[in-house]
Amino acid sequence: NAGVTQTPKFRILKIGQSMTLQCTQDMNHNYMYWYRQDPGMGLKLIYYSVGAGITDKGEVPNGYNVSRSTTEDFPLRLELAAPSQTSVYFCASRSSDEQFFGPGTRLTVL
Amino acid sequence: QKEVEQNSGPLSVPEGAIASLNCTYSDRGSQSFFWYRQYSGKSPELIMFIYSNGDKEDGRFTAQLNKASQYVSLLIRDSQPSDSATYLCAVINSGGYQKVTFGTGTKLQVIP
Repeated sequence: NAGVTQTPKFRILKIGQSMTLQCTQDMNHNYMYWYRQDPGMGLKLIYYSVGAGITDKGEVPNGYNVSRSTTEDFPLRLELAAPSQTSVYFCASRSSDEQFFGPGTRLTVL
Repeated sequence: QKEVEQNSGPLSVPEGAIASLNCTYSDRGSQSFFWYRQYSGKSPELIMFIYSNGDKEDGRFTAQLNKASQYVSLLIRDSQPSDSATYLCAVINSGGYQKVTFGTGTKLQVIP
């Protein structure tokens, strides 16, 4: 039981490049979330999903896209990377009474 | 008004003392809440889930929920230096798709 896994752990992008952050959970949770955390700051919700095929925007969705084709996977797509997207990205999955986080992806856009 | 508010701290307590961390929320319909601990450079770790008014205890941790006053707190008894971390409060919002919103966290320092 691996919980929530994220890849890659680290990535450096050039301005304008695109990439997909992968997130997989093996707990059969319906709810999944993407957060970003800037240095010294709290977690800001980017997108979330309540099940396969259903997603919704969080507080800071601009510049990102998501899809949820299976219960297990919830990838986050960055299009046209900007320096403002430099952050640590956390994926989480939730049942009714527990929510677990992945180890995070540290992204730098130069 | 922020959806979830926490005092950023730092909150300093001596080793062995009780640390009290507070959180207020704006969504009156919210029913469920999480407390997390986050060490620097790590992902948040779940400490407690609470949804009923009153106290919930788990080891040295006690969560207290008061829905009428819209606050939730976390008490840490017999604080240890290893408890030094940032503590995050999270609210499962009412309605819609139940997004989970976090406060900015309170930094706790336990002084040996």
